[in-house]
Amino acid sequence: DAGVTQSPTHLIKTRGQQVTLRCSPKSGHDTVSWYQQALGQGPQFIFQYYEEEERQRGNFPDRFSGHQFPNYSSELNVNALLLGDSALYLCASSSTSNEQYFGPGTRLTVT
Amino acid sequence: AQSVSQHNHHVILSEAASLELGCNYSYGGTVNLFWYVQYPGQHLQLLLKYFSGDPLVKGIKGFEAEFIKSKFSFNLRKPSVQWSDTAEYFCAVPNQAGTALIFGKGTTLSVSS
Repeated sequence: DAGVTQSPTHLIKTRGQQVTLRCSPKSGHDTVSWYQQALGQGPQFIFQYYEEEERQRGNFPDRFSGHQFPNYSSELNVNALLLGDSALYLCASSSTSNEQYFGPGTRLTVT
Repeated sequence: AQSVSQHNHHVILSEAASLELGCNYSYGGTVNLFWYVQYPGQHLQLLLKYFSGDPLVKGIKGFEAEFIKSKFSFNLRKPSVQWSDTAEYFCAVPNQAGTALIFGKGTTLSVSS
């Protein structure tokens, strides 16, 4: 049973560029949440997708957007990248329970 | 608003020493509490969770945590740490909607052999 998978593992982008990160949830899970983990900090909630719609959003600007597909996989898009967007981006999936299963993350470096 | 505070930023222990990591929460709803661990180079994993019932919760790898409602605390403990426990530990609570987790800043545990 595959857990949560994310791609790519690492990514280097330049300020002002756009980036797309991908996530496949754990089998049987229909809800995907995205978190940003800056160096030395705990993960911060970006948004959550359920039934292909954004169900809830954390305190992140509109430059951060997402999508969920019919197979429950999800994308996180960040436009107009800033240096401060450099972080580990985590995807977590869940079903009816509160328990969230995390993927290995995508390390984004903005130069 | 919900929040989580972890008191220890970096803890350094020798093998076989006892561990206690502090976590205090501010939470207005039904209390659900989590401890996650992030081993070097690995993904975030659930260590243990409290939803209701016995306030002493046992998790994987010999870890346990005690929910003390009067102190708004959920401290993580292990009687005897091993070198392999070297990791980052995060305490978390659900947000108000119960849809996402609010994490503390984390505690880095370094165990020397």
